[in-house]
Amino acid sequence: AAGVIQSPRHLIKEKRETATLKCYPIPRHDTVYWYQQGPGQDPQFLISFYEKMQSDKGSIPDRFSAQQFSDYHSELNMSSLELGDSALYFCASSSAGGRDNEKLFFGSGTQLSVL
Amino acid sequence: EDQVTQSPEALRLQEGESSSLNCSYTVSGLRGLFWYRQDPGKGPEFLFTLYSAGEEKEKERLKATLTKKESFLHITAPKPEDSATYLCAVENAGTYKYIFGTGTRLKVLA
Repeated sequence: AAGVIQSPRHLIKEKRETATLKCYPIPRHDTVYWYQQGPGQDPQFLISFYEKMQSDKGSIPDRFSAQQFSDYHSELNMSSLELGDSALYFCASSSAGGRDNEKLFFGSGTQLSVL
Repeated sequence: EDQVTQSPEALRLQEGESSSLNCSYTVSGLRGLFWYRQDPGKGPEFLFTLYSAGEEKEKERLKATLTKKESFLHITAPKPEDSATYLCAVENAGTYKYIFGTGTRLKVLA
């Protein structure tokens, strides 16, 4: 079965650079979530989209922005990167109208390292 | 404020030594409680959803139970391949927000 696909798998950036993370949800899933997870920490919610509209916002810095496109894939844009942005970034998807629709399916994540 | 607390933070078991992981939660309205397994450098993998107190679900060596205040993940006769971080999360029925706990790092020794 198709899963949530994230790219790139690893990303190394310098301070003050920009980064774009991509997420391709499970087909027919209409909701996408972005999470940030530091070492040994629980996933911290950043932002979510439902049917291409922002549905909720968490602890996402103003330097970050995200959007969901017509094909339901989502991109997280990160600017003016800081050392503290180094983390594993997960995308998750769900289907609002499907069976077990509360369940989140996670991608494998993008490991971002800011040097 | 909605909150999820997991204990212990870390747990070392010998192969075959059964134990339980705890997830205590406070939420204004529970839509669901979720257990996930996370291997290092990978995304959380869904295990169970529990909806109401008294509900139980099983999968292989794992059994999840739910009360009005907490959930337990029982691991029976664990094997080294059960080593992972186990995350608990709740979804608020009113806001649809997910709140994750910090997880329990389980290490099963052969």
